Amino acid sequence: EVQLVESGGGLVQPGGSLRLSCAASGFTFSSYEMNWVRQAPGKGLEWVSYISSSGSTIYYADSVKGRFTISRDNAKNSLYLQMNSLRAEDTAVYYCARDRDGYDQLYYYYMDVWGKGTTVTVSS
Amino acid sequence: SSELTQDPAVSVALGQTVRITCQGDSLRSYYASWYQQKPGQAPVLVIYGKNNRPSGIPDRFSGSSSGNTASLTITGAQAEDEADYYCNSRDSSGNHNVVFGGGTKLTVL
Repeated sequence: EVQLVESGGGLVQPGGSLRLSCAASGFTFSSYEMNWVRQAPGKGLEWVSYISSSGSTIYYADSVKGRFTISRDNAKNSLYLQMNSLRAEDTAVYYCARDRDGYDQLYYYYMDVWGKGTTVTVSS
Repeated sequence: SSELTQDPAVSVALGQTVRITCQGDSLRSYYASWYQQKPGQAPVLVIYGKNNRPSGIPDRFSGSSSGNTASLTITGAQAEDEADYYCNSRDSSGNHNVVFGGGTKLTVL
């Protein structure tokens, strides 16, 4: 079964740090690009970061650039998100999601596998 | 533009057809993908590409696209279709960012 399982969430004070992990199973992790997506309480989905299959290409949303670092260990089938200088507005459920794209008259892009999420609360 | 716009809420009578729309400049270059999210659960992909359904998604879900507008249509809505629906694409400005619509709350009456 194709599966993503996030861990590492918790309560942290403003300015603190947290490292999220996402364990992949049931597919060849090293062949896929991956993302982190978050959802603040009662709000919509917000893309956070992307990493290519090799880890050589990385992108961030402006809201986290300079504070968050995405990485992966293909030998361990794992994706990570190091979050530093955390703010109250980073409070959210964080999901890892598998990235897919292609072309068929137009480009297409989607995330086909999602984990159940891990909750990060930034509060004093 | 890096925005996708959705109506905040839509309702449909049980068994009727409903269309949920998503507008944005990126949709002139990208098909939208659509996700269903029920309370307390992770998003689930329901439509991707021109009009493709992942395995296990009922065929009452379909997608279409015209100009800068994408639509998700549910033909014969069921009670279990009540959920939030999000559209998604890549930003077409070339920065590789990903964009989501603000979501549409679907109520099945």
